Amino acid sequence: DTGVSQNPRHKITKRGQNVTFRCDPISEHNRLYWYRQTLGQGPEFLTYFQNEAQLEKSRLLSDRFSAERPKGSFSTLEIQRTEQGDSAMYLCAIQTGSSYEQYFGPGTRLTVT
Amino acid sequence: KQEVTQIPAALSVPEGENLVLNCSFTDSAIYNLQWFRQDPGKGLTSLLLIQSSQREQTSGRLNASLDKSSGRSTLYIAASQPGDSATYLCAVREGSGNTPLVFGKGTRLSVIA
Repeated sequence: DTGVSQNPRHKITKRGQNVTFRCDPISEHNRLYWYRQTLGQGPEFLTYFQNEAQLEKSRLLSDRFSAERPKGSFSTLEIQRTEQGDSAMYLCAIQTGSSYEQYFGPGTRLTVT
Repeated sequence: KQEVTQIPAALSVPEGENLVLNCSFTDSAIYNLQWFRQDPGKGLTSLLLIQSSQREQTSGRLNASLDKSSGRSTLYIAASQPGDSATYLCAVREGSGNTPLVFGKGTRLSVIA
């Protein structure tokens, strides 16, 4: 147990639909990261939050993507007008204490048909 | 731009062998380096974190070394077991302790009983 849950674990949607994923850290961590991983690749950074502030966004995060972290606890990642190229595993990670070690959730696997 | 390379891409060994996984990075100005394990369709499990000032870290049968000046890290697995079969990912963090991780593509390990 990494202390991070993600829901749903799997999502199948049709092209053009909107989807929303949620990341819930068990305890409060001020830094929360989103990554995307396609088959055979390492995870790629999307965005991260310090508390409720979104501090950095990758160029991968097109205007169809939006992320929020209200109240600095859980976070949501929404994809509007999904495309087949959005099919991937979406991973959430938290960062702990002074060691700056990241711990990942189980991920949400998105399939766009 | 930081690039992380992992060699080999795949490795198959008989049970009981000691093995070494390699990771190289192009910019030696890293803050820390983290090794992860990923089982098929799952999230990432943190194995070892090495700070830039450290040379190695050990956890059980795992030993990770870091040669920051040459841009290399190795993960040594002693007395491999079938349960070690997974993909192993190396990731570096540049700059401060809060920047995102940059991942390699991983090494897929199969340990044959």
